Amino acid sequence: DAGITQSPRHKVTETGTPVTLRCHQTENHRYMYWYRQDPGHGLRLIHYSYGVKDTDKGEVSDGYSVSRSKTEDFLLTLESATSSQTSVYFCASGQAPTNEKLFFGSGTQLSVL
Amino acid sequence: AQSVTQPDIHITVSEGASLELRCNYSYGATPYLFWYVQSPGQGLQLLLKYFSGDTLVQGIKGFEAEFKRSQSSFNLRKPSVHWSDAAEYFCAVGGFGNEKLTFGTGTRLTIIP
Repeated sequence: DAGITQSPRHKVTETGTPVTLRCHQTENHRYMYWYRQDPGHGLRLIHYSYGVKDTDKGEVSDGYSVSRSKTEDFLLTLESATSSQTSVYFCASGQAPTNEKLFFGSGTQLSVL
Repeated sequence: AQSVTQPDIHITVSEGASLELRCNYSYGATPYLFWYVQSPGQGLQLLLKYFSGDTLVQGIKGFEAEFKRSQSSFNLRKPSVHWSDAAEYFCAVGGFGNEKLTFGTGTRLTIIP
């Protein structure tokens, strides 16, 4: 399977603090995505990238920003974390838009207290 | 707007019994349809996908799905489930040139001996 890793795997933080989650892929995939997974909501797209420095918003982008300075890295930043951002965050990557399969990381469990 | 409905939140079946997981979609053009599986604590893995052609598609682990355009459905089936099939299953919809994949809320499958 594709090499896609997320760090950290678990994080506990306090309301109002900034948080950055990292996604790293070794497959030279063009597309990268950040999703959040919440009970009753499934996976919802936060932001995605279609190339270095090229990003766009998903359906739940408020309170989040992203950056992609290299093909292999896609960072998700919560500028000022809130309790509503407690969730499991998944990164995914793929070579093409949705006509190819996505490869998912193992997730980051984020708790905002 | 594109959307996916998985009407069953949780399904329990006996080992060796047949399985059908329901998925209904809404998409304004020809859909690309996917089923992903998520084992506990893991990311998602692609089971199968439909782009065009034969409406019955085969996937990994003995799963198959049938695309029915008239019913806007893409139900997942397996003739005989194994204890290792216990997981959460997600249906997703996208399309040609569409960079965003929309997931359903998932169906959790429990297998009883």
